[in-house]
Amino acid sequence: EPEVTQTPSHQVTQMGQEVILRCVPISNHLYFYWYRQILGQKVEFLVSFYNNEISEKSEIFDDQFSVERPDGSNFTLKIRSTKLEDSAMYFCASSAMGGGTDTQYFGPGTRLTVL
Amino acid sequence: AQSVTQLDSQVPVFEEAPVELRCNYSSSVSVYLFWYVQYPNQGLQLLLKYLSGSTLVKGINGFEAEFNKSQTSFHLRKPSVHISDTAEYFCAVPYNTNAGKSTFGDGTTLTVKP
Repeated sequence: EPEVTQTPSHQVTQMGQEVILRCVPISNHLYFYWYRQILGQKVEFLVSFYNNEISEKSEIFDDQFSVERPDGSNFTLKIRSTKLEDSAMYFCASSAMGGGTDTQYFGPGTRLTVL
Repeated sequence: AQSVTQLDSQVPVFEEAPVELRCNYSSSVSVYLFWYVQYPNQGLQLLLKYLSGSTLVKGINGFEAEFNKSQTSFHLRKPSVHISDTAEYFCAVPYNTNAGKSTFGDGTTLTVKP
């Protein structure tokens, strides 16, 4: 069964450093998402991406965040200058159609620890 | 915008007992509702979803949920739980019918004891 994969599984970085979290969505999916989950809190939407551009973003997704689909398979989340409060589990998801009825398939997550 | 409230943060239950995890929603438009499960150190997996039609929705692993419009609820049930059902469960609703992004509840930790 096809699945969403994410690398690395755990990333430790120093405050102020740039990090890139990588995701490989399901191959025939067209819509891609990033969510984050701060430890002990709910899963929060960050951004959705379709046709090589951001379709929606939350207020969390400020100028320090960016997303990119650098090739036909990868989908990346870049945090330009990490802060302590960016420590969280980051989930990538993809869906075939993108509407509210469509199932999103989630990756296993990348745990980001900012020291 | 839609929102969901999960009424129980933790639900401990003994193996083979029935369980109900409660979720209430608020919406001013057509509602789609989802339940996800997150096993320890894993991502989110869709258990079931309600889009339209029958209000009783059956999902994977023996779970089912009932959409109740008058009570604005979408409670998740399983008649007999296993140790392996121990996980975090999230109720979620799409932001609107056209947007794929979802709003999640705070989660309910189900702990199944032997």
